[in-house]
Amino acid sequence: EDQVTQSPEALRLQEGESSSLNCSYTVSGLRGLFWYRQDPGKGPEFLFTLYSAGEEKEKERLKATLTKKESFLHITAPKPEDSATYLCAVQASEGSARQLTFGSGTQLTVLP
Amino acid sequence: GAVVSQHPSWVICKSGTSVKIECRSLDFQATTMFWYRQFPKQSLMLMATSNEGSKATYEQGVEKDKFLINHASLTLSTLTVTSAHPEDSSFYICSARQGGRNTEAFFGQGTRLTVV
Repeated sequence: EDQVTQSPEALRLQEGESSSLNCSYTVSGLRGLFWYRQDPGKGPEFLFTLYSAGEEKEKERLKATLTKKESFLHITAPKPEDSATYLCAVQASEGSARQLTFGSGTQLTVLP
Repeated sequence: GAVVSQHPSWVICKSGTSVKIECRSLDFQATTMFWYRQFPKQSLMLMATSNEGSKATYEQGVEKDKFLINHASLTLSTLTVTSAHPEDSSFYICSARQGGRNTEAFFGQGTRLTVV
């Protein structure tokens, strides 16, 4: 069974204080690992897809990296508007559907 | 990224009534759409996978007669909560995928359902 574990559950940072969010996964063949941002009362907003170990992607203050067992979302010099819940999800290359298995998310709060 | 529109964004209904939620892909054709349910401070729980022109595939524990899914076109899927009860109150989110090599799923804004 595919599993995704995110840590920490919650993270409070001062503005400008860089940090990383972790996503550990077990999957029967990885088709893709996805990062989403979710604001309260809204649907998830797509950030990145990573397909293979060693791959990195960047967008503004965010950088996502991938190994064979985990992914990190690095946040450099965060701002209050980066406050949100960040969700990690995996898609297996084998098995029934092409659905995503989500982690429980990391709730990030950036204080001004 | 692709746009997925979900309507309504919130709805309040009485116990015993039915509620329909629409999910539309605005700028692409979605061969597959997914319906999720999310409880407060929890992650998304997949309810069902909807394929255009065929019956939806429901996850274990999800009542197909209670949560009716119709995917009649490549741009529209609907979720109908039948005979709603207060325990059905939740945040429902749809997502859509283009298919082919594009594996990203794009999400709607979500629908907050409150059954009173």
